[in-house]
Amino acid sequence: QVQLQQWGAGLLKPSETLSLTCAVYGGSFSGYYWSWIRQPPGKGLEWIGEINHSGSTNYNPSLKSRVTISVDTSKNQFSLKLSSVTAADTAVYYCARDRVLLWFGDWGDYGMDVWGQGTTVTVSS
Amino acid sequence: EIVLTQSPGTLSLSPGERATLSCRASQSVSSSYLAWYQQKPGQAPRLLIYGASSRATGIPDRFSGSGSGTDFTLTISRLEPEDFAVYYCQQYGSSPTQYTFGQGTKLEIK
Repeated sequence: QVQLQQWGAGLLKPSETLSLTCAVYGGSFSGYYWSWIRQPPGKGLEWIGEINHSGSTNYNPSLKSRVTISVDTSKNQFSLKLSSVTAADTAVYYCARDRVLLWFGDWGDYGMDVWGQGTTVTVSS
Repeated sequence: EIVLTQSPGTLSLSPGERATLSCRASQSVSSSYLAWYQQKPGQAPRLLIYGASSRATGIPDRFSGSGSGTDFTLTISRLEPEDFAVYYCQQYGSSPTQYTFGQGTKLEIK
């Protein structure tokens, strides 16, 4: 049973950098893409970006200039950094498993089927 | 960028009734890349449906998905008390790679 455990600082000041890490326990790490998603209080879900084991990334264009997602394959972990945060970045941040590497080398999308527990990040002066 | 619009915003029904939730895309979406999630307060979303109509592991068969092109539907055939939650549709696009979510439909007890 694959589990995602995430952690990071929960209270930031404006202009600081948000930093979160998600660890993958059980199952394959290299056979998937791994995403970050956020949810502002009382609002819907917003995809931030994704990474695979080789470090290939894709980002939401609206956040791309401030986002860096990295991977540590030795620990089966991936991390999110979001720079120059403002109050608008206050949200619950989730990590999730998404696309799977298929036997013929392509990537298949079967939904985000495993999620972390969520980390509440508040940006306030 | 594809925009997903869900309707209604809130749906009030009673246990035992049938629920029909709609997700409309601003341009055609591959059925292979349309998913539905359920989210309860204080919890992470749970994958219900992928590929527009395939149930995820462990999802009861009262949940079904259908649709193609720009119009997709999540149907809950007979509502159980635990089904009252917020539901999101999501699409994956490959050029460029991006995921987008609908704004959600809240299914509440009448």
